[in-house]
Amino acid sequence: DVKVTQSSRYLVKRTGEKVFLECVQDMDHENMFWYRQDPGLGLRLIYFSYDVKMKEKGDIPEGYSVSREKKERFSLILESASTNQTSMYLCASSFSSYYGYTFGSGTRLTVV
Amino acid sequence: GQQVMQIPQYQHVQEGEDFTTYCNSSTTLSNIQWYKQRPGGHPVFLIQLVKSGEVKKQKRLTFQFGEAKKNSSLHITATQTTDVGTYFCAGPTDSGGGADGLTFGKGTHLIIQP
Repeated sequence: DVKVTQSSRYLVKRTGEKVFLECVQDMDHENMFWYRQDPGLGLRLIYFSYDVKMKEKGDIPEGYSVSREKKERFSLILESASTNQTSMYLCASSFSSYYGYTFGSGTRLTVV
Repeated sequence: GQQVMQIPQYQHVQEGEDFTTYCNSSTTLSNIQWYKQRPGGHPVFLIQLVKSGEVKKQKRLTFQFGEAKKNSSLHITATQTTDVGTYFCAGPTDSGGGADGLTFGKGTHLIIQP
């Protein structure tokens, strides 16, 4: 089975801190995605990547950046964490949007 | 931009009753996918529909893709407590692409009363 592993299940950070969320997949998928999930708002796409060193903005990229130096690893970076970035962050990977996504278990980030 | 709407937002049923959630896209979709998220869990891929009018079944779950490829439904027959969770539909953000990510509906929360 495909596995998508997110480095932390729970994270608490202070306002203004730089935060790194790591995601690793083990099935050689081309595409990787970062979503955030908030009650009443569903899943919203932050950034995605379809190849090493490639990145594309999703629907809500403001305040975030990403890094994909290796095919299996996709990192989400909060440059200066703010309280409105408190959320559940979900990483996913797939061969393409024509194939089902495999999600990681999520990182629940709280910014205080 | 593309919108994917799901109704209802919440559905309470008695165990053993049927359940249906509906999904509508503002644009024609190349495919539609369904996911289930258990409470406290992450979304898990259930199925993908590609063809106009396609119907697929997984045990008690029946998935349909509309003729115009803009709507879809998920029907669960005789719900069980294991069906509790949130069901999401999702379609490619770019109907002609393949690497543009999925747009998810906001999901239908299924609550089952024993």
